[in-house]
Amino acid sequence: AQTVTQSQPEMSVQEAETVTLSCTYDTSESDYYLFWYKQPPSRQMILVIRQEAYKQQNATENRFSVNFQKAAKSFSLKISDSQLGDAAMYFCAYRSPRNSGNTPLVFGKGTRLSVIA
Amino acid sequence: SAVISQKPSRDICQRGTSLTIQCQVDSQVTMMFWYRQQPGQSLTLIATANQGSEATYESGFVIDKFPISRPNLTFSTLTVSNMSPEDSSIYLCSVMRKGSEAFFGQGTRLTVV
Repeated sequence: AQTVTQSQPEMSVQEAETVTLSCTYDTSESDYYLFWYKQPPSRQMILVIRQEAYKQQNATENRFSVNFQKAAKSFSLKISDSQLGDAAMYFCAYRSPRNSGNTPLVFGKGTRLSVIA
Repeated sequence: SAVISQKPSRDICQRGTSLTIQCQVDSQVTMMFWYRQQPGQSLTLIATANQGSEATYESGFVIDKFPISRPNLTFSTLTVSNMSPEDSSIYLCSVMRKGSEAFFGQGTRLTVV
């Protein structure tokens, strides 16, 4: 079974600075999807960024980028120019391509990010 | 994308009672997933609901406690039965798009007193 590990329960960053959240995973599959989700106090799960394992290029979405190291099974999230609105729980998640993609996400335990003004 | 309407958004319930949570999706989906998120914790999969068949439950979750209905391809309910304070959590429904990410309902914050 796949597992996702987030080793940082809490992180903090100064506004406008850069922070990196860590994620490692374990799988025997060669093709899969990886995601970072953000969960603010509103409880809504918001997709931050996604990465397909077959793509070597790291995904980027505005101030958010990932460092995907397939051999090391590492998938870190970098947030640049941090803003107060970035404060939230961040979950790393894995999805198998089996069953035509109708498989649930496997989540890490999450990292609570605080942004200091 | 997919729009999921989940309700209620929150409820406070007496122990021993049951609460049914509803999820309505704006398009047909094969499977719907129900998660529990205990306070300060990550999301744990309760069960997978496939239309036309019984739900598949994860280890530690049983149908008597969390009965699920899936009457059609756009709707599902999760019931939390005979509640105790330990059932106080956020419950979320989710759907997938092939080759895409998961979409979530807004979550139901349940408090059992």
